[in-house]
Formats: sequence, C-alpha cells, structure tokens
Amino acid sequence: DAKTTQPPSMDCAEGRAANLPCNHSTISGNEYVYWYRQIHSQGPQYIIHGLKNNETNEMASLIITEDRKSSTLILPHATLRDTAVYYCIVRVAGETSGSRLTFGEGTQLTVNP
Amino acid sequence: DGGITQSPKYLFRKEGQNVTLSCEQNLNHDAMYWYRQDPGQGLRLIYYSQIVNDFQKGDIAEGYSVSREKKESFPLTVTSAQKNPTAFYLCASSIFGRVNEKLFFGSGTQLSVL
Repeated sequence: DAKTTQPPSMDCAEGRAANLPCNHSTISGNEYVYWYRQIHSQGPQYIIHGLKNNETNEMASLIITEDRKSSTLILPHATLRDTAVYYCIVRVAGETSGSRLTFGEGTQLTVNP
Repeated sequence: DGGITQSPKYLFRKEGQNVTLSCEQNLNHDAMYWYRQDPGQGLRLIYYSQIVNDFQKGDIAEGYSVSREKKESFPLTVTSAQKNPTAFYLCASSIFGRVNEKLFFGSGTQLSVL
C-alpha cells in the first residue's frame, strides 16, 4: 500500500469549510483513497473513499487530483462535533487481498467556536 | 441496531496474567480485525480473520492470540508475553475482508497494567 502524508494538525472555524490535505505520491493505479475519522477514545468512523473521480456523500466531499498524487477531504460546514483525528489511507483493490490495514498518525482537526 | 460490541470498556491486567478482550458483531460480516492504538499514535493491525476457524497475523501479533470459532465473535487474548500491553484496543469488521470495503469499528477497550 502507498504511504500517505498528512499535516499533524489543523484548525477551522465553526461553520466554515474544513479542507484536509493528503499526499500519496506513490499511489498506484488500482489503489483507492479512504478517509476515516476518530473522535477521542472512540472507534474510527468511515467517511468516504474514491479511486479517481471526485466523490460526495452526506458527510463530506473527496477531491482527488488528476495525477492522483494527492487528495483533499472537504467538510463543507464544520461543526464542533467534527473535531477529531482524520486518517487518509490508500488501499489496493482486489478480491483476494486480505484487508491488512495500517492507519498512520492522521491530522488532528480542531473546530473552534 | 447492527454493530460491533466490545467489552469491557476498561480492563486492568496484573503482571504475568493473561486477559481476554471480547468482540461481538451482529452485522453478518465475514471479516474481523483487531488493532492496537497507543496514545497519540495511529492504529496498528494485530490479527485479522476472513472466515471462521481461520486467522492471520498482522503487523504486531507477538504476545497476542485470537480465536474465531463463531462468525460473530473474535476474542483477543493479551498474554503475559506481551511486555507492554497498556493501550487502546479496537475491533473492526467488514463484509468479506476485501481491500476495497469499509471497516466498521467498535468503541474500544482500554487496557492498563497494574
């Protein structure tokens, strides 16, 4: 799996958009980009994933650059409850692969009132 | 509601003692996983299982053991061989264990050494 690089921390004002970057310059053509978040002392929560097209769901939007070497998770209207550690992960697609998954240290997003 | 239940929420271990962490899921998922998280760190994979009666070591399996006798249950034993067991332990599941599936996590067990 490709390595990812994220800033260790970010701040955002409540009600504003939070844009969390992730670099994955060694990503391969068959690797997906996944985002999870973890609120303190809870289990991580899936947010969104994508291969090469931009994706949007009820929680967030995922923007993947054309060369796929980086991506941005966008929380359009951040609330205090969005304060969490956000993990960006890249995974190889394939039916026979086991789901070995290692989360890095992620980005601590703090949403301020 | 379907989900993953981990128990207990807090657990204490004495020196030389084995302790078992429970993980139960009612999502009918084939695959289950155990992760360890140290303060301020990301998650590291301990063991995973894609089918009943089968499991594989993850990145940090030494000092841990698991069993998968039932589809819905994947208990983790922290043995006395694990010299630094204090950590937050997370159980997760996914439908088939394929790489492009999302993971569902439990709420975790905090293990501390007395």
